[in-house]
Formats: sequence, C-alpha cells, structure tokens
Amino acid sequence: EDQVTQSPEALRLQEGESSSLNCSYTVSGLRGLFWYRQDPGKGPEFLFTLYSAGEEKEKERLKATLTKKESFLHITAPKPEDSATYLCAVHHIRPLMAFYGGATNKLIFGTGTLLAVQP
Amino acid sequence: GAGVSQSPSNKVTEKGKDVELRCDPISGHTALYWYRQSLGQGLEFLIYFQGNSAPDKSGLPSDRFSAERTGGSVSTLTIQRTQQEDSAVYLCASSPRTISSYNSPLHFGNGTRLTVT
Repeated sequence: EDQVTQSPEALRLQEGESSSLNCSYTVSGLRGLFWYRQDPGKGPEFLFTLYSAGEEKEKERLKATLTKKESFLHITAPKPEDSATYLCAVHHIRPLMAFYGGATNKLIFGTGTLLAVQP
Repeated sequence: GAGVSQSPSNKVTEKGKDVELRCDPISGHTALYWYRQSLGQGLEFLIYFQGNSAPDKSGLPSDRFSAERTGGSVSTLTIQRTQQEDSAVYLCASSPRTISSYNSPLHFGNGTRLTVT
C-alpha cells in the first residue's frame, strides 16, 4: 500500500540546536517529493520539491535531501520562527499506468512533524 | 498577487444540514484540488479538477460529498446531510499545471473549518 510516514511526530529544540526531520515513503514509482510548512490556522506553504535520489535543495536554515526510500529536512541553527508543522507529500505513478508513464493526479501526505523551537 | 481564497473560514452546522464551501483559486491556475485535514490525520485527497477534463472524484468519502468547478475557476464543495465525522478543515489548492509537470507545486488556501454539532 502506498504510504508516507513522518518522524518524529513532535520535536522540541532549543534555539540554535540543529536537527533533522524524516519522511519515509513506500510508493511505486516516485515522481516528486514535496515539503510544506503549516502554521496554526493556515494552509500548507510550499517549501521544496525533490525529483531524484541525491538531489538537495536549500532555503535559509532549511535543507531537503532525497534518497530512494526517504527524505530528510535538515534544520540548521533553528530560530523560534521556524516553529510549525512540517508536512511531506509524494507524487507517484499508478502501478497499472507505469507502462504508459501515467502519474496520479494527487499528492499523498504524511501526518507531519510538529516542531517547536524554544528561545 | 492574491493567493487561494476560501470561504467561509469557519462554519458551524447542525447534523443533517447541507453545507457549501467555496474556493477561489489563483487566477490562471488550471488545476484545483480539495483536501480534508482532520485532527491528527494527514491531508486526505477528495477531488481534483484539471481544465475541462472530467474530475478525479476517487477521494470523495461518500455520495453525500460533491464538488463542481464553474468556468474553470471558482469551485464549490457541497456536503449533504452532514454528520459529526465530517468535522474537519477543508483545504483547497490550485496549481498552474498538473503536478505531473515539473515545478508545479500546489498552492493552498487557509481552509474552512467545519464543525458539525
């Protein structure tokens, strides 16, 4: 079954304490992996898309990496304003459509990691 | 520019009543999605519209749920005979192209929080 699992469910860091969030996936034929940030009462805000193993993308204190089975969101020297829920989502190919190169039309989301950065 | 706009931001309704949730996507975006987010759950796909193609309704949980998109722009999600388990945040997202296209992420609105009493 297609699945996206994020860990840990919650993470509390001190300001400046670097760490990583994990997103592991079991889907047939990854076409793209997306990271989003969600603040309370808001919709998810797009951060990164990764398409192939070995790819890395950076934005300020965040760096996302991708392997064949998982993605990491590294947070370097976090600040309190980095506190949010971080969501991972995958876009994949339907098994029966793989021969025809048919991707699905939707993203499968994980349940997120709630990050709290204390001053 | 303006982002995805959803209304109302909050809706409280009694069990058994019908509700309509509205989504105004980003201008020019051809793809529109509805997702549902329940407490402690991941985002659950409901329905997808792409241009003039037939919508992908594979995520709608029951026949009480329906959605339409008029003129390739505004979309309305309708829930008939609401049940308490329908309580959730309903999120709308749009994209300039299909997500099969590179660099075409979803842009989300802030959602409608639906509470069924």
